[in-house]
Amino acid sequence: DGGITQSPKYLFRKEGQNVTLSCEQNLNHDAMYWYRQDPGQGLRLIYYSQIVNDFQKGDIAEGYSVSREKKESFPLTVTSAQKNPTAFYLCASSLAGGGDTQYFGPGTRLTVL
Amino acid sequence: GIQVEQSPPDLILQEGANSTLRCNFSDSVNNLQWFHQNPWGQLINLFYIPSGTKQNGRLSATTVATERYSLLYISSSQTTDSGVYFCAVYSGGGADGLTFGKGTHLIIQP
Repeated sequence: DGGITQSPKYLFRKEGQNVTLSCEQNLNHDAMYWYRQDPGQGLRLIYYSQIVNDFQKGDIAEGYSVSREKKESFPLTVTSAQKNPTAFYLCASSLAGGGDTQYFGPGTRLTVL
Repeated sequence: GIQVEQSPPDLILQEGANSTLRCNFSDSVNNLQWFHQNPWGQLINLFYIPSGTKQNGRLSATTVATERYSLLYISSSQTTDSGVYFCAVYSGGGADGLTFGKGTHLIIQP
């Protein structure tokens, strides 16, 4: 079954800890994206990658880091430097960048205790 | 950067009613997508429509790129249509991601 998977579905973190959110796709898409959604708001772009071993900051990259070592995988690390990390995180992919249709994974809800 | 405004922010309708959701954007776009976010948070693609008109069952969408707006029509609403509808655009400048509006929260009552 082709699609985008994210894990875990729910994640609880203590203040001061780094956590890594997983995003995997088997759609053979080149471009992948991470977005953050806060309650009652639209999504905001954290990082994106148009090709393996390359990634760019989005609008709200501070306190986050990513890697793109494989085409299928684009993990997001929420570091202790992120001041307000509690949010819903969604990963997306598209065949290429530049405005191609984006498809979204089911999301990870991160709560900082 | 580009601004996206959606209206109305909230809409409550009875089952069977029709609705029109609007999305205004501040600059020309290369991509415009409509999504439905279900109660579990999943974003479901409805339309990729940078211009023109498309229909899919009870849903249709129209984008008038020259006037910088898009409309999503839902006919004969069902309770399963409830959720948040987002419009998102890509303008081609800056970061290679979508800019989202704040959404329209639709509640369909039985």
